[in-house]
Amino acid sequence: QVQLQESGPGLVRPSETLSLTCTVSSGSIYSYYWSWIRQAPGQGLEWIGHIYYSGSTEYNPSLKSRITISIDTSKSQFSLQLRSVAAADTAIYFCARQQYAYSDHFFGMDVWGQGTTVTVSS
Amino acid sequence: DIQMTQSPSSLSASVGDRVTISCRASQTMAGYVNWYQQKSGNAPTLLISGAFTLQSGVPSRFSGSGSGTDFTLTISDLQPEDFATYYCQQGHSTPITFGQGTRLQIK
Repeated sequence: QVQLQESGPGLVRPSETLSLTCTVSSGSIYSYYWSWIRQAPGQGLEWIGHIYYSGSTEYNPSLKSRITISIDTSKSQFSLQLRSVAAADTAIYFCARQQYAYSDHFFGMDVWGQGTTVTVSS
Repeated sequence: DIQMTQSPSSLSASVGDRVTISCRASQTMAGYVNWYQQKSGNAPTLLISGAFTLQSGVPSRFSGSGSGTDFTLTISDLQPEDFATYYCQQGHSTPITFGQGTRLQIK
């Protein structure tokens, strides 16, 4: 049963870079897309972006100028960097496995990490 | 971007009831609509993929339907553990987008 675990600092100062890592265990990182999703306090879910095991990425245009998602298949990890953070970036950050259908269509995210709370504050 | 509009935003029901949650897409799409359940403080759980495919381990009282722009999640014979927040999500095109959520509460 594949498992995902997010890791990273819980507190980031405004204007700095948020860095999170998701470790994939008990399963393969290959042949899947891997997503980052966030949820601000009391709010809904926002897709940040995803990465294929080959390294190709797609980002949410609302965040595209500030984010980088990368993957290290040798470590079964993928990572998120969000630059120039502000209070509005305070959220629970989830990583998830994204099922691919075909022709740039996607099925659901079937495995999720437990989420990690990131607070942006000085 | 495809906007996903869920209704209602909240819903009160009793154990044993049948409820439906709707999701309308801002453009016609193939059936790449997925439904999630989220209980407070936890990660979402995928219930339905591809509009109507029940995920392994999900009780059969959950079902999905729809096409075009209108999709529905139905829960029949509500159980106490079903009271949670539900989200639709489209995978037709990126950016992937979610509905705003429907909070299902006990009446």
